[in-house]
Amino acid sequence: GAVVSQHPSWVICKSGTSVKIECRSLDFQATTMFWYRQFPKQSLMLMATSNEGSKATYEQGVEKDKFLINHASLTLSTLTVTSAHPEDSSFYICSARGLAGGPFGQETQYFGPGTRLLVL
Amino acid sequence: AQSVTQPDIHITVSEGASLELRCNYSYGATPYLFWYVQSPGQGLQLLLKYFSGDTLVQGIKGFEAEFKRSQSSFNLRKPSVHWSDAAEYFCAVRGPYKLSFGAGTTVTVRA
Repeated sequence: GAVVSQHPSWVICKSGTSVKIECRSLDFQATTMFWYRQFPKQSLMLMATSNEGSKATYEQGVEKDKFLINHASLTLSTLTVTSAHPEDSSFYICSARGLAGGPFGQETQYFGPGTRLLVL
Repeated sequence: AQSVTQPDIHITVSEGASLELRCNYSYGATPYLFWYVQSPGQGLQLLLKYFSGDTLVQGIKGFEAEFKRSQSSFNLRKPSVHWSDAAEYFCAVRGPYKLSFGAGTTVTVRA
């Protein structure tokens, strides 16, 4: 249980194009989803927190117009990297937290397998 | 604000030997603590968590961790490592709004 999926698992795109990454909680509903970025050999950096039906809360230094987050349902959040550039190349990981009283509780975050983005 | 320190950047251990990964946290209230493992190119898998109660918690893959409030620690242990345990391990503490991760410890297992 508590499975989070991401699609695509990897993507290569040209500079200037936009890329959308999907994050789904497969067997539980998630009011809150998180998007992280991870550089090689480093820890996870939280980019933003999104609650279903609300605007995402971005961490300091993260451009909200560059990284568009939509959380339209309790099982789906998307991250769109707009006008991607080589410096946006990274490993993006989403995470979901369940509902209070739900099968997996609200306290634990479950992580997707990650999406590797390479911008040429 | 909460924070996590993992003092060991890299640990090498022989297959079959025991493993202990250190984690120290800073948080004003009762912490929610987690250990996650990340294999190369993969997301994070939850190994175990501590919220309250018994300070020795059992997790998956034969891992356990002990919460010591007096030392602000939550060290991860495994009695006998397998080659498949080679990975990156992250300790995390949950604050009011988000998880804070340590820098991670890379575990290498030698035959």
